[in-house]
Amino acid sequence: EPEVTQTPSHQVTQMGQEVILRCVPISNHLYFYWYRQILGQKVEFLVSFYNNEISEKSEIFDDQFSVERPDGSNFTLKIRSTKLEDSAMYFCASRAGTGGYNEQFFGPGTRLTVL
Amino acid sequence: AQTVTQSQPEMSVQEAETVTLSCTYDTSESDYYLFWYKQPPSRQMILVIRQEAYKQQNATENRFSVNFQKAAKSFSLKISDSQLGDAAMYFCASMEYGNKLVFGAGTILRVKS
Repeated sequence: EPEVTQTPSHQVTQMGQEVILRCVPISNHLYFYWYRQILGQKVEFLVSFYNNEISEKSEIFDDQFSVERPDGSNFTLKIRSTKLEDSAMYFCASRAGTGGYNEQFFGPGTRLTVL
Repeated sequence: AQTVTQSQPEMSVQEAETVTLSCTYDTSESDYYLFWYKQPPSRQMILVIRQEAYKQQNATENRFSVNFQKAAKSFSLKISDSQLGDAAMYFCASMEYGNKLVFGAGTILRVKS
Protein backbone atom coordinates (compact mmCIF):
# COMPACT_ATOMS: atom_id res chain seq x y z
CA GLU A 1 0.00 0.00 0.00
CA PRO A 2 1.40 3.44 -0.92
CA GLU A 3 2.51 5.55 2.00
CA VAL A 4 4.02 8.92 2.79
CA THR A 5 7.62 8.71 3.92
CA GLN A 6 9.68 11.24 5.85
CA THR A 7 13.38 11.58 6.49
CA PRO A 8 15.11 11.81 8.81
CA SER A 9 13.08 10.28 11.61
CA HIS A 10 15.00 12.36 14.15
CA GLN A 11 17.07 15.47 13.55
CA VAL A 12 19.16 17.21 16.18
CA THR A 13 20.49 20.66 15.40
CA GLN A 14 22.03 23.65 17.09
CA MET A 15 20.07 26.86 17.50
CA GLY A 16 20.62 29.13 14.55
CA GLN A 17 21.32 26.33 12.10
CA GLU A 18 19.24 25.59 9.02
CA VAL A 19 17.42 22.28 8.67
CA ILE A 20 15.61 20.63 5.78
CA LEU A 21 12.94 18.08 6.49
CA ARG A 22 12.10 15.79 3.61
CA CYS A 23 8.90 14.10 2.61
CA VAL A 24 7.98 11.82 -0.26
CA PRO A 25 4.21 12.06 -0.76
CA ILE A 26 2.16 9.32 -2.37
CA SER A 27 2.99 9.43 -6.06
CA ASN A 28 -0.30 10.51 -7.65
CA HIS A 29 -1.23 12.99 -4.94
CA LEU A 30 -1.58 16.67 -5.75
CA TYR A 31 -1.95 18.43 -2.38
CA PHE A 32 0.74 18.51 0.25
CA TYR A 33 0.77 19.70 3.83
CA TRP A 34 3.08 20.25 6.75
CA TYR A 35 1.84 20.09 10.33
CA ARG A 36 3.69 20.57 13.59
CA GLN A 37 3.17 19.07 17.02
CA ILE A 38 5.07 20.43 20.00
CA LEU A 39 5.44 17.67 22.59
CA GLY A 40 2.25 17.25 24.60
CA GLN A 41 0.30 19.69 22.49
CA LYS A 42 -2.10 19.50 19.60
CA VAL A 43 -1.21 19.11 15.94
CA GLU A 44 -1.07 22.49 14.19
CA PHE A 45 -1.31 23.28 10.51
CA LEU A 46 1.71 25.02 8.99
CA VAL A 47 1.23 25.16 5.24
CA SER A 48 -0.52 23.62 2.26
CA PHE A 49 0.97 23.37 -1.21
CA TYR A 50 -0.65 22.78 -4.58
CA ASN A 51 0.45 23.27 -8.17
CA ASN A 52 3.91 24.33 -7.08
CA GLU A 53 2.80 27.12 -4.85
CA ILE A 54 1.61 27.71 -1.31
CA SER A 55 -2.19 27.64 -1.16
CA GLU A 56 -2.53 28.48 2.52
CA LYS A 57 -0.23 29.11 5.47
CA SER A 58 -0.74 29.66 9.16
CA GLU A 59 0.61 32.49 11.30
CA ILE A 60 3.26 30.06 12.54
CA PHE A 61 4.67 29.80 9.01
CA ASP A 62 6.72 32.98 9.07
CA ASP A 63 9.74 34.02 7.03
CA GLN A 64 11.99 31.44 8.64
CA PHE A 65 10.01 28.66 6.97
CA SER A 66 9.87 27.72 3.32
CA VAL A 67 8.58 24.77 1.31
CA GLU A 68 9.61 23.38 -2.00
CA ARG A 69 8.87 20.54 -4.35
CA PRO A 70 12.24 20.41 -6.05
CA ASP A 71 11.93 17.37 -8.27
CA GLY A 72 8.34 16.16 -8.58
CA SER A 73 8.67 13.54 -5.87
CA ASN A 74 10.11 15.23 -2.77
CA PHE A 75 8.37 17.88 -0.70
CA THR A 76 10.65 19.72 1.68
CA LEU A 77 10.26 22.03 4.65
CA LYS A 78 13.22 24.30 5.31
CA ILE A 79 13.65 26.09 8.60
CA ARG A 80 16.25 28.83 8.50
CA SER A 81 18.00 29.82 11.72
CA THR A 82 16.23 27.36 14.02
CA LYS A 83 15.05 28.44 17.46
CA LEU A 84 14.58 26.38 20.60
CA GLU A 85 10.82 26.65 20.21
CA ASP A 86 11.01 24.95 16.80
CA SER A 87 11.61 21.67 18.61
CA ALA A 88 8.61 19.56 17.67
CA MET A 89 7.36 16.66 15.61
CA TYR A 90 6.81 17.67 12.00
CA PHE A 91 4.31 15.71 9.95
CA CYS A 92 3.95 15.74 6.20
CA ALA A 93 0.63 14.75 4.63
CA SER A 94 -0.65 14.39 1.10
CA ARG A 95 -3.99 13.84 -0.57
CA ALA A 96 -5.11 12.96 -4.06
CA GLY A 97 -7.12 16.11 -4.67
CA THR A 98 -9.83 15.58 -7.22
CA GLY A 99 -13.34 14.19 -7.16
CA GLY A 100 -14.87 14.88 -3.79
CA TYR A 101 -13.45 13.84 -0.46
CA ASN A 102 -9.83 12.81 -0.32
CA GLU A 103 -8.21 11.61 2.86
CA GLN A 104 -5.00 13.21 4.00
CA PHE A 105 -2.38 10.53 4.47
CA PHE A 106 0.21 11.29 7.12
CA GLY A 107 3.86 10.36 7.16
CA PRO A 108 5.48 8.97 10.33
CA GLY A 109 6.89 12.37 11.27
CA THR A 110 10.32 13.89 11.84
CA ARG A 111 11.25 14.71 15.39
CA LEU A 112 13.27 17.92 15.41
CA THR A 113 15.32 18.76 18.48
CA VAL A 114 16.94 22.20 18.63
CA LEU A 115 19.69 22.55 21.25
CA ALA B 1 -12.45 30.16 11.44
CA GLN B 2 -12.67 26.50 12.26
CA THR B 3 -12.24 25.51 15.90
CA VAL B 4 -12.27 22.10 17.55
CA THR B 5 -12.64 21.58 21.29
CA GLN B 6 -11.95 18.43 23.27
CA SER B 7 -12.86 19.03 26.88
CA GLN B 8 -11.56 15.74 28.30
CA PRO B 9 -7.77 15.81 28.72
CA GLU B 10 -7.76 12.22 29.90
CA MET B 11 -10.17 9.27 30.07
CA SER B 12 -9.90 5.77 31.48
CA VAL B 13 -11.78 2.63 30.56
CA GLN B 14 -11.72 -0.95 31.72
CA GLU B 15 -10.77 -3.51 29.11
CA ALA B 16 -13.87 -4.80 27.26
CA GLU B 17 -15.95 -1.82 28.39
CA THR B 18 -17.23 1.10 26.32
CA VAL B 19 -15.92 4.64 26.42
CA THR B 20 -17.05 7.85 24.73
CA LEU B 21 -14.71 10.71 23.86
CA SER B 22 -16.28 14.13 23.36
CA CYS B 23 -15.63 16.74 20.71
CA THR B 24 -17.35 19.95 19.70
CA TYR B 25 -16.48 22.06 16.71
CA ASP B 26 -17.37 25.28 14.99
CA THR B 27 -17.36 26.09 11.31
CA SER B 28 -19.14 28.54 9.07
CA GLU B 29 -19.17 26.12 6.15
CA SER B 30 -22.00 23.78 5.26
CA ASP B 31 -19.68 21.30 3.56
CA TYR B 32 -17.06 19.84 5.87
CA TYR B 33 -15.64 16.63 7.26
CA LEU B 34 -14.91 15.44 10.75
CA PHE B 35 -12.32 12.91 11.83
CA TRP B 36 -10.95 11.04 14.78
CA TYR B 37 -7.24 10.28 14.70
CA LYS B 38 -5.38 7.95 17.03
CA GLN B 39 -1.80 8.76 18.04
CA PRO B 40 -0.01 5.91 19.85
CA PRO B 41 3.33 6.45 21.61
CA SER B 42 5.09 6.12 18.24
CA ARG B 43 3.36 9.44 17.40
CA GLN B 44 2.16 8.18 14.04
CA MET B 45 -1.21 9.75 13.10
CA ILE B 46 -3.72 7.01 12.34
CA LEU B 47 -7.15 7.78 10.93
CA VAL B 48 -9.80 5.99 13.00
CA ILE B 49 -13.04 7.20 11.48
CA ARG B 50 -14.45 10.02 9.40
CA GLN B 51 -17.85 11.63 8.97
CA GLU B 52 -19.12 13.69 6.07
CA ALA B 53 -21.27 16.56 7.33
CA TYR B 54 -23.90 16.04 4.64
CA LYS B 55 -24.53 12.47 5.77
CA GLN B 56 -27.05 12.08 8.58
CA GLN B 57 -26.06 8.49 9.28
CA ASN B 58 -23.38 8.10 11.92
CA ALA B 59 -20.16 6.50 10.68
CA THR B 60 -19.02 3.17 12.10
CA GLU B 61 -15.79 1.23 11.73
CA ASN B 62 -15.85 -2.07 13.57
CA ARG B 63 -15.67 -1.20 17.31
CA PHE B 64 -15.54 2.53 16.62
CA SER B 65 -18.62 4.64 16.01
CA VAL B 66 -19.49 8.30 16.17
CA ASN B 67 -22.45 10.28 17.41
CA PHE B 68 -22.69 13.21 15.01
CA GLN B 69 -25.08 15.94 16.14
CA LYS B 70 -24.85 18.57 13.41
CA ALA B 71 -27.12 21.18 14.99
CA ALA B 72 -25.23 20.98 18.27
CA LYS B 73 -21.86 20.78 16.43
CA SER B 74 -20.95 17.76 18.44
CA PHE B 75 -18.95 14.75 17.25
CA SER B 76 -18.22 12.12 19.88
CA LEU B 77 -16.33 8.85 19.43
CA LYS B 78 -17.54 5.65 21.02
CA ILE B 79 -15.14 2.76 21.45
CA SER B 80 -16.82 -0.53 22.25
CA ASP B 81 -15.14 -3.60 23.72
CA SER B 82 -12.05 -1.55 24.55
CA GLN B 83 -8.72 -3.27 24.07
CA LEU B 84 -5.28 -2.56 25.51
CA GLY B 85 -4.15 -1.54 22.03
CA ASP B 86 -6.69 1.27 22.04
CA ALA B 87 -4.64 3.17 24.60
CA ALA B 88 -3.39 6.30 22.86
CA MET B 89 -3.98 10.00 22.37
CA TYR B 90 -7.12 10.65 20.34
CA PHE B 91 -7.53 13.82 18.31
CA CYS B 92 -10.76 15.14 16.87
CA ALA B 93 -10.30 17.17 13.68
CA SER B 94 -12.36 19.07 11.17
CA MET B 95 -11.69 19.89 7.56
CA GLU B 96 -13.56 22.35 5.41
CA TYR B 97 -13.74 21.04 1.88
CA GLY B 98 -10.32 20.59 0.41
CA ASN B 99 -8.46 22.53 3.06
CA LYS B 100 -6.38 22.03 6.13
CA LEU B 101 -7.15 19.85 9.11
CA VAL B 102 -7.85 21.66 12.36
CA PHE B 103 -7.23 19.53 15.43
CA GLY B 104 -8.50 19.60 18.98
CA ALA B 105 -6.17 19.42 21.98
CA GLY B 106 -6.52 15.66 22.28
CA THR B 107 -7.73 13.16 24.86
CA ILE B 108 -5.41 10.60 26.40
CA LEU B 109 -7.20 7.27 26.64
CA ARG B 110 -5.94 4.78 29.22
CA VAL B 111 -7.18 1.20 29.12
CA LYS B 112 -7.05 -0.78 32.36
CA SER B 113 -6.67 -4.56 32.35
